Amino acid sequence: GQSLEQPSEVTAVEGAIVQINCTYQTSGFYGLSWYQQHDGGAPTFLSYNALDGLEETGRFSSFLSRSDSYGYLLLQELQMKDSASYFCAVRDIGYQLIWGAGTKLIIKP
Amino acid sequence: DSGVTQTPKHLITATGQRVTLRCSPRSGDLSVYWYQQSLDQGLQFLIQYYNGEERAKGNILERFSAQQFPDLHSELNLSSLELGDSALYFCASSADRGYTDTQYFGPGTRLTVL
Repeated sequence: GQSLEQPSEVTAVEGAIVQINCTYQTSGFYGLSWYQQHDGGAPTFLSYNALDGLEETGRFSSFLSRSDSYGYLLLQELQMKDSASYFCAVRDIGYQLIWGAGTKLIIKP
Repeated sequence: DSGVTQTPKHLITATGQRVTLRCSPRSGDLSVYWYQQSLDQGLQFLIQYYNGEERAKGNILERFSAQQFPDLHSELNLSSLELGDSALYFCASSADRGYTDTQYFGPGTRLTVL
């Protein structure tokens, strides 16, 4: 079957660095995306990796290893506003995104 | 503001009823996706339309149907509603330029079935 695994919850301290992992098992692979969703809000796009390596966008970075079917989202200099759920998603053959169940990031002062 | 609009914002109805949710994509986007998100759950992909045609189908119940109109807005119809259908329903749109596309989500419609 097709699945994406990510931790259900991660806790970190304000100002610290946190990594949210995502492993996937899909019938096809055309890229790994990350989305952020605040409570009660809509998901918003953060990053996309199609090739192996690290993509950096400000305080957020995303990494992909296609040989390991693994990726992660790295958040640096954590701020309270980063408290949210983070979803990884894989674009499979066809056109739909397969979504992980989401990781709730709790940030403590 | 993503540029995707959804109406209504909230909907309260009774079991057995039928409702229609509406979505207008960002200007220029040809693809519309529908998702269901139950409380504290992940996103369940329901269905995708591209330029008026159904492109991909996910875990959409037979009681649910959708369509995309010539002006590219889309409607999701939910019928014979059950308590378990209570959820946030998101619409997203994308320009669909291949597999690198970003999906832009609307604010969602919160459906409560009593």
